[in-house]
Amino acid sequence: GNSVTQMEGPVTLSEEAFLTINCTYTATGYPSLFWYVQYPGEGLQLLLKATKADDKGSNKGFEATYRKETTSFHLEKGSVQVSDSAVYFCALSYQGGSEKLVFGKGTKLTVNP
Amino acid sequence: DAGITQSPRHKVTETGTPVTLRCHQTENHRYMYWYRQDPGHGLRLIHYSYGVKDTDKGEVSDGYSVSRSKTEDFLLTLESATSSQTSVYFCAIRGGNSGNTIYFGEGSWLTVV
Repeated sequence: GNSVTQMEGPVTLSEEAFLTINCTYTATGYPSLFWYVQYPGEGLQLLLKATKADDKGSNKGFEATYRKETTSFHLEKGSVQVSDSAVYFCALSYQGGSEKLVFGKGTKLTVNP
Repeated sequence: DAGITQSPRHKVTETGTPVTLRCHQTENHRYMYWYRQDPGHGLRLIHYSYGVKDTDKGEVSDGYSVSRSKTEDFLLTLESATSSQTSVYFCAIRGGNSGNTIYFGEGSWLTVV
């Protein structure tokens, strides 16, 4: 079946540190891949996405590359800020017309000044 | 802003009572979804709809029913609430330029006591 595995947190970094949150997936066919971010008390916001192999999604300094050979979509940012503190979810969307999302369990990131 | 409004945003109810959560969208999207979010589980799909009166089950549909009598409204009903249904419920729509991106509402916090 379709599933997403992401590194468990929590992750604590100092401001300006480099961030990597690992995400791997299992899927049939060719899913689209997403990273969502959830700030405290809020809903999920789409951070970035990639729809085919070797695509790179990017937004707000975050990047992730769709790697079909390693079935991975790791999230990276070169220099985190306190405002990046949130929970990050990796997800895949599988086809069949309804574009249902399958989520990882989330990784909580805390950035200290 | 994907034009999604959830109501109520917060509710406390007693075990055994019926509860209905409403999702309202303003942009005529065909696909709508209900997810629940629980610690350690990420988000899991409850039910989804692909048109008026067209709905289908997700991975955690037991104890829930849905209805969609108008394009703009997707209702989630807990026929007889249980403590295991204490959760945060998110409505989502499928949209975006390519039509394959899912956007979330702000969530409804439900506590069953």
